[in-house]
Amino acid sequence: EAGVAQSPRYKIIEKRQSVAFWCNPISGHATLYWYQQILGQGPKLLIQFQNNGVVDDSQLPKDRFSAERLKGVDSTLKIQPAKLEDSAVYLCASSREGHYGYTFGSGTRLTVV
Amino acid sequence: AQSVAQPEDQVNVAEGNPLTVKCTYSVSGNPYLFWYVQYPNRGLQFLLKYITGDNLVKGSYGFEAEFNKSQTSFHLKKPSALVSDSALYFCAVRTDYGGATNKLIFGTGTLLAVQP
Repeated sequence: EAGVAQSPRYKIIEKRQSVAFWCNPISGHATLYWYQQILGQGPKLLIQFQNNGVVDDSQLPKDRFSAERLKGVDSTLKIQPAKLEDSAVYLCASSREGHYGYTFGSGTRLTVV
Repeated sequence: AQSVAQPEDQVNVAEGNPLTVKCTYSVSGNPYLFWYVQYPNRGLQFLLKYITGDNLVKGSYGFEAEFNKSQTSFHLKKPSALVSDSALYFCAVRTDYGGATNKLIFGTGTLLAVQP
């Protein structure tokens, strides 16, 4: 099966600009996750979708971050406006309902200057 | 709250020697435990998992891990290290609670460096 697709692979923006990341999960995977991985740290969950509904967004900085998953398939994560501390790798993952493990995409490396 | 600790930022081992990457966890309920590996500029790749059953779990690339409930540990091991094993390794945990809010919590990662 095809893996989790993410784009772009790299993005460099200036602070206060906006940016969007896209994720296409594995076909049939009901659950989609966005993780933020800051250099030197483990991935931190930002938001979890079950089909097109939000299950957990407790660690999403909602004043600047937003995410949606239309029709329960693709998802976009947006940052507006970006701050220097948002520089990180943004990882998308998906899993089957009731399945224990996740499949991760290659990630988008964001650099805010 | 569930958490994972990887006490070593870096592990150095000579090629051909056995390696161990340590992980301890804290959860309420029964844990589901995972190891992932991350190569430079790549996403996380699944290595192995413990859900239930035999405490010794075998995974990809010759890696294995031992679940120890009394010590709340899930150390990653390999009998003979390869230079190509050099990467960042993450331990992760989730609980056996039902429902969709059962998220995976990651440790801070351990950099494995295998010297030729």
